[in-house]
Amino acid sequence: GAGVSQSPSNKVTEKGKDVELRCDPISGHTALYWYRQSLGQGLEFLIYFQGNSAPDKSGLPSDRFSAERTGGSVSTLTIQRTQQEDSAVYLCASSSSGGWDTQYFGPGTRLTVL
Amino acid sequence: SQQGEEDPQALSIQEGENATMNCSYKTSINNLQWYRQNSGRGLVHLILIRSNEREKHSGRLRVTLDTSKKSSSLLITASRAADTASYFCASVLGGTSYGKLTFGQGTILTVHP
Repeated sequence: GAGVSQSPSNKVTEKGKDVELRCDPISGHTALYWYRQSLGQGLEFLIYFQGNSAPDKSGLPSDRFSAERTGGSVSTLTIQRTQQEDSAVYLCASSSSGGWDTQYFGPGTRLTVL
Repeated sequence: SQQGEEDPQALSIQEGENATMNCSYKTSINNLQWYRQNSGRGLVHLILIRSNEREKHSGRLRVTLDTSKKSSSLLITASRAADTASYFCASVLGGTSYGKLTFGQGTILTVHP
């Protein structure tokens, strides 16, 4: 079956612009995670969605970052007023039912802020 | 912030040799997982070991966990050129009810044909 997909695969934007990154999890997976990978910070957790529960936003680095998950499926990560330090690869993962189930990662979106 | 450190940061070996990567972590964990990443993009789950397990095997992979030393190792036997990738350990911290992963810094493995 189809894996986790993310779009766009690459995004170049100018400082101060807003960007939206999309994640399509594996069909039927109720848990969805966003992570960020950057040279300076390595791989970091950003946010977790599980079913209809309130998301765990504890990893979002600032209030410029937000994410939503509509209908328990597709998720969008939005970064407002982008800064150069936001440049990173943004990875999405899903798992079948949360808990400690294996997470399946998408190919990521490489964001470059000029 | 990184939960742990991986050692070595880079490893270069010949095909057929074994590769051993180590991971140390700082706080109690529920489980520890190893991932592979090719070309800096998507992560592939390799193996999960729970905090009450000491050793686990999957094909050419062997993972050990020593909770008293807060360390884990990943052994790849009979390496192949296709094993060239970055390898990350990731842990789920104790008391966490879901899979929020905290990653190590990674080991870059190069297997020469």
